[in-house]
Amino acid sequence: NAGVTQTPKFQVLKTGQSMTLQCAQDMNHEYMSWYRQDPGMGLRLIHYSVGAGITDQGEVPNGYNVSRSTTEDFPLRLLSAAPSQTSVYFCATGGGWGGELFFGEGSRLTVL
Amino acid sequence: GENVEQHPSTLSVQEGDSAVIKCTYSDSASNYFPWYKQELGKGPQLIIDIRSNVGEKKDQRIAVTLNKTAKHFSLHITETQPEDSAVYFCAATPGGTSYGKLTFGQGTILTVHP
Repeated sequence: NAGVTQTPKFQVLKTGQSMTLQCAQDMNHEYMSWYRQDPGMGLRLIHYSVGAGITDQGEVPNGYNVSRSTTEDFPLRLLSAAPSQTSVYFCATGGGWGGELFFGEGSRLTVL
Repeated sequence: GENVEQHPSTLSVQEGDSAVIKCTYSDSASNYFPWYKQELGKGPQLIIDIRSNVGEKKDQRIAVTLNKTAKHFSLHITETQPEDSAVYFCAATPGGTSYGKLTFGQGTILTVHP
């Protein structure tokens, strides 16, 4: 079992470009989420999903789009990249209320 | 919404010493408090958690304490080893939220010197 797989691991974009960060899980978890990690700010929730067809905003959703068509996949789309979106992005899944989150290894994004 | 403050931001100890990291939270209805460890180049991993009906929990060299009245919780690592060096995050679940919609603290970089 791979757990939570994120691709790509590294990406450099120019301002205004769009791209999609991929997240796939083989743990059959209903809950999936995206966090961004910035120095001194911890992990901040961008978007999350509690099942296929259901998504909701987290703390910092602006500039990002998500969809959940299957249990396994939860892609994060940057519609028009900005330098402020330079960050490390983590996908995390969970099995239920108040339980452990399982994180991917992260995707480092640089926007020039 | 929930706000979690974590201190210190960096902590340096000698091997064998104890390390303590403290967090405070704002939402009195929060009821689940996990701690995650992040090694370089990896995603965070759960190391211990505590729920609001428990005051203390231990797992070998790691312990977590919770003071609901003061709205703070702490991570204690005893007999530290170089492999404990990592970034540690506390987190809290906002009251009334199902699933893992956690609010994280800012992180503590722990360095254990041999």
